Amino acid sequence: DADVTQTPRNRITKTGKRIMLECSQTKGHDRMYWYRQDPGLGLRLIYYSFDVKDINKGEISDGYSVSRQAQAKFSLSLESAIPNQTALYFCATSDPSLGYNEQFFGPGTRLTVL
Amino acid sequence: KQEVTQIPAALSVPEGENLVLNCSFTDSAIYNLQWFRQDPGKGLTSLLLIQSSQREQTSGRLNASLDKSSGRSTLYIAASQPGDSATYLCAVRDDSWGKLQFGAGTQVVVTP
Repeated sequence: DADVTQTPRNRITKTGKRIMLECSQTKGHDRMYWYRQDPGLGLRLIYYSFDVKDINKGEISDGYSVSRQAQAKFSLSLESAIPNQTALYFCATSDPSLGYNEQFFGPGTRLTVL
Repeated sequence: KQEVTQIPAALSVPEGENLVLNCSFTDSAIYNLQWFRQDPGKGLTSLLLIQSSQREQTSGRLNASLDKSSGRSTLYIAASQPGDSATYLCAVRDDSWGKLQFGAGTQVVVTP
């Protein structure tokens, strides 16, 4: 089984709809991250969490919210989706035993907002 | 603000040729630099991690160098194979929280 899983893998929705993307990990890592990837722009950080009580905004948090339900689960919500949120979304984790030097990524969720 | 640039954006080589991928960053105060491989429909796979105190890292046919003072890293892939076709991303960690700044990637095609 994959260490970092994301659901759904693909989603098509309409403008104005509320969408939740979920991330689960079995690695036991305390830090989790949400990124989005747009063609030609690389990955940009949306939110990150160092534990269930710690949530931080990243570079592009406007229009997004997150919830850290447990150490293993980190969800990303789009309260009212808009077409420019069409992108590939990645969840990642990192580990204190490695000095948080490496991040481990899920397979991504491709979101299309019509 | 850290800016990470990868040139070229795309590269096509015949099988057997060596690949040279470049990554540059604007702020040399980094903790480390990481090279990833991205295949369509899949997540990112970490290839090599170079700590700021290191000059290079090697794994099999892959070798990555780091020149922190000039803000550059190069990923060398020896004797390329069609299976090396993918997008290669570099990312730098430049803060204590572990956040990464990514380049836009180089899309590589190795033709048989």
